Amino acid sequence: GENVEQHPSTLSVQEGDSAVIKCTYSDSASNYFPWYKQELGKRPQLIIDIRSNVGEKKDQRIAVTLNKTAKHFSLHITETQPEDSAVYFCAASKPTGNQFYFGTGTSLTVIP
Amino acid sequence: KAGVTQTPRYLIKTRGQQVTLSCSPISGHRSVSWYQQTPGQGLQFLFEYFSETQRNKGNFPGRFSGRQFSNSRSEMNVSTLELGDSALYLCASSSWTGGDEQYFGPGTRLTVT
Repeated sequence: GENVEQHPSTLSVQEGDSAVIKCTYSDSASNYFPWYKQELGKRPQLIIDIRSNVGEKKDQRIAVTLNKTAKHFSLHITETQPEDSAVYFCAASKPTGNQFYFGTGTSLTVIP
Repeated sequence: KAGVTQTPRYLIKTRGQQVTLSCSPISGHRSVSWYQQTPGQGLQFLFEYFSETQRNKGNFPGRFSGRQFSNSRSEMNVSTLELGDSALYLCASSSWTGGDEQYFGPGTRLTVT
């Protein structure tokens, strides 16, 4: 099966700084890599995703990069704001179905 | 479009009982996946249904089962509940057959006493 590792488990940054969360996966057949944000007591919300035929994708202050050779992908948040504080999960999926393998999560705290 | 809905939102059950959880996907979505979320194990995949057929299954015991109806609504059942089954159960819907965006419901918080 697939194994997704995520680092760091906790991250504190000053407001306005950048935050980077990294994930690695094991199965080269995985081709879809979403990132979810989960606030306390809420459902996971898809914030950005990337497919294996793309190396980088941006959406305003959020970007994701993918290195297929090294089997790792990263989430970059620039100009962080207090409302970015949440738990972030990376995931990997193969084209054979909607079975997501999740990382263990990163608790991000943005200090005002 | 309305989002993914799950009922009930909260449940308290006793060890040995069984429970059924329901998930209604986004209109037009045919794939429903179920996940168990716990502080210790994170988000773990239970199973996925597409067009009323189970397509993928995670590493959970046979006490965990599910089904999907012709309108894409899905149910999961847990029999002979154990204390360790206490968790947030999330379902997610997707429009396509694989490797596609999944949208999560609010979850059902199950507590087993």
